[in-house]
Amino acid sequence: GAGVSQSPSNKVTEKGKDVELRCDPISGHTALYWYRQSLGQGLEFLIYFQGNSAPDKSGLPSDRFSAERTGGSVSTLTIQRTQQEDSAVYLCASSSRQGEVRETQYFGPGTRLLVL
Amino acid sequence: GQNIDQPTEMTATEGAIVQINCTYQTSGFNGLFWYQQHAGEAPTFLSYNVLDGLEEKGRFSSFLSRSKGYSYLLLKELQMKDSASYLCAPRGDSGGYQKVTFGTGTKLQVIP
Repeated sequence: GAGVSQSPSNKVTEKGKDVELRCDPISGHTALYWYRQSLGQGLEFLIYFQGNSAPDKSGLPSDRFSAERTGGSVSTLTIQRTQQEDSAVYLCASSSRQGEVRETQYFGPGTRLLVL
Repeated sequence: GQNIDQPTEMTATEGAIVQINCTYQTSGFNGLFWYQQHAGEAPTFLSYNVLDGLEEKGRFSSFLSRSKGYSYLLLKELQMKDSASYLCAPRGDSGGYQKVTFGTGTKLQVIP
């Protein structure tokens, strides 16, 4: 497909379990972002990757959160020892020209995570 | 860092015009985006301003005043499908990086 894809679309897990969320960006896009959106809230920046540069991890809420991007394409966001407050929609976005003024981010459909 | 302020909710009538305001305080400001987000869906790009003035795109227009730290999104000839959240997103310095930061959004309800 031509757009950003994410999997799974929905994830229900028990408190204390680890989860992995996957993002496939648009082919050729060098920048990739992860955001979190709780019900009725705005987008909370988590992390972004740009090419081979060190990722900007300034938005990760705790050391239970980590992300990697392999081969400059697919990214996985891992949440260890999930807590109920981690329940949210996790959105991935990619762009082709991070750092350029007119950068436009294209969002995936999100993964809805529910921690019981 | 960045501070973004926009109304939480607005209601407007089908066929009317509505203006959604956004004020921001952003160091290293380098452009402002507006995104639309329908309930349960991902945000989609609407507009981008980097210079002062009005950018028009069909029924939607976006205005920017850099000196005032102010932008608005103008929606004309409102349709029911315009009911959505509208996110103001300035680009600037944050956490040592240049990046886009999203506001909490304005939830617009269009009524018949």
